[in-house]
Amino acid sequence: GAVVSQHPSRVICKSGTSVKIECRSLDFQATTMFWYRQFPKQSLMLMATSNEGSKATYEQGVEKDKFLINHASLTLSTLTVTSAHPEDSSFYICSARGGWDYGYTFGSGTRLTVV
Amino acid sequence: AQKITQTQPGMFVQEKEAVTLDCTYDTSDPSYGLFWYKQPSSGEMIFLIYQGSYDQQNATEGRYSLNFQKARKSANLVISASQLGDSAMYFCAMRGIIQGAQKLVFGQGTRLTINP
Repeated sequence: GAVVSQHPSRVICKSGTSVKIECRSLDFQATTMFWYRQFPKQSLMLMATSNEGSKATYEQGVEKDKFLINHASLTLSTLTVTSAHPEDSSFYICSARGGWDYGYTFGSGTRLTVV
Repeated sequence: AQKITQTQPGMFVQEKEAVTLDCTYDTSDPSYGLFWYKQPSSGEMIFLIYQGSYDQQNATEGRYSLNFQKARKSANLVISASQLGDSAMYFCAMRGIIQGAQKLVFGQGTRLTINP
């Protein structure tokens, strides 16, 4: 079945540094990938949509310069949290459109802690 | 605008009983898709079941079935013969067109606890 690999699963970084999260579709081409953020005990909030070879589309209220998204190939999308602060600590999860007729395949998520 | 509503923050059910998780939606799109996902404490999103807006029959996948009532805009998840491993967060989601792009929007979620 369709698999999306997301790395790292957990990361702790110092305030002010940048962190890169990768999502790879292993056995299908993902023309569109979505990035979500989830705070504890809350739902998934869509941050941005990335299409291979073009600029990402960000949801209202999401800082483009803080959350850099790159979708350089049909199998790889990255989210870079720049100049991270403690309030950026959250669970980030990606999903890819493709791999099966109507569905979305999710990565396993990244738990980011900024200290 | 697309909206998904789950009104049950938490549900407690005895093992082996059936449980229904509620989901209502609002959309003006004639074509849409409805999904249910399970999220255990590990955080992964596990796909359970899908219902297309034009599907005539309610979707079923093993112990999961979707009670789709289009006129009432509801898509409730029914889990039969619940098991301890069913304890998790459950999210209803809708795929629709938002600002010209297809996106997946989630409800608030329901935390299901199965008691032995």
